[in-house]
Amino acid sequence: GENVEQHPSTLSVQEGDSAVIKCTYSDSASNYFPWYKQELGKRPQLIIDIRSNVGEKKDQRIAVTLNKTAKHFSLHITETQPEDSAVYFCAASNSGYALNFGKGTSLLVTP
Amino acid sequence: DAGVIQSPRHEVTEMGQEVTLRCKPISGHDYLFWYRQTMMRGLELLIYFNNNVPIDDSGMPEDRFSAKMPNASFSTLKIQPSEPRDSAVYFCASSPGRFNEKLFFGSGTQLSVL
Repeated sequence: GENVEQHPSTLSVQEGDSAVIKCTYSDSASNYFPWYKQELGKRPQLIIDIRSNVGEKKDQRIAVTLNKTAKHFSLHITETQPEDSAVYFCAASNSGYALNFGKGTSLLVTP
Repeated sequence: DAGVIQSPRHEVTEMGQEVTLRCKPISGHDYLFWYRQTMMRGLELLIYFNNNVPIDDSGMPEDRFSAKMPNASFSTLKIQPSEPRDSAVYFCASSPGRFNEKLFFGSGTQLSVL
């Protein structure tokens, strides 16, 4: 099945700096790549997603890039704020609707 | 819509006991998923259903785990007998399907097996 690797496991940045989280996937048939944010004690929520026919997608301060050849995709958060502190999960889908998640990145934004 | 509803929010039980987790998906969603979250393994897909039919249960760790979806508005995940290593947060999620893969998670059940 699909295997998703996510790095780093923890990331600490100063407020206003950028944060980048990277993921690789194993199945070249995967075609859907979402990112979920989970605040402490809360449920994961979708923040952005990208499909394999698109190389980049932006939504205000967050962006996702996809390199199908290398089978990796990344989340970029610019001008980080303390409320961006959370665990971020990448995921990939190669079977229609079942998502395989990475193990998560704990992002801490310090004022 | 109230979103995906899970019960109970917290469950503390003793090893060997049966545990039943419950989920009500969002009305109209075609897919229902059960995930388990631990620090070591992250979010693991246990099983998912499409239109109440189990599609893939390869993530179910052992025969002690079973899941059912008797109708479009209800699903259960049962562990019998429970073991301490089953302690985790169990999330139910649903998605609309029909080219919309967005997962809507419930608030989760924090399971502690002593």
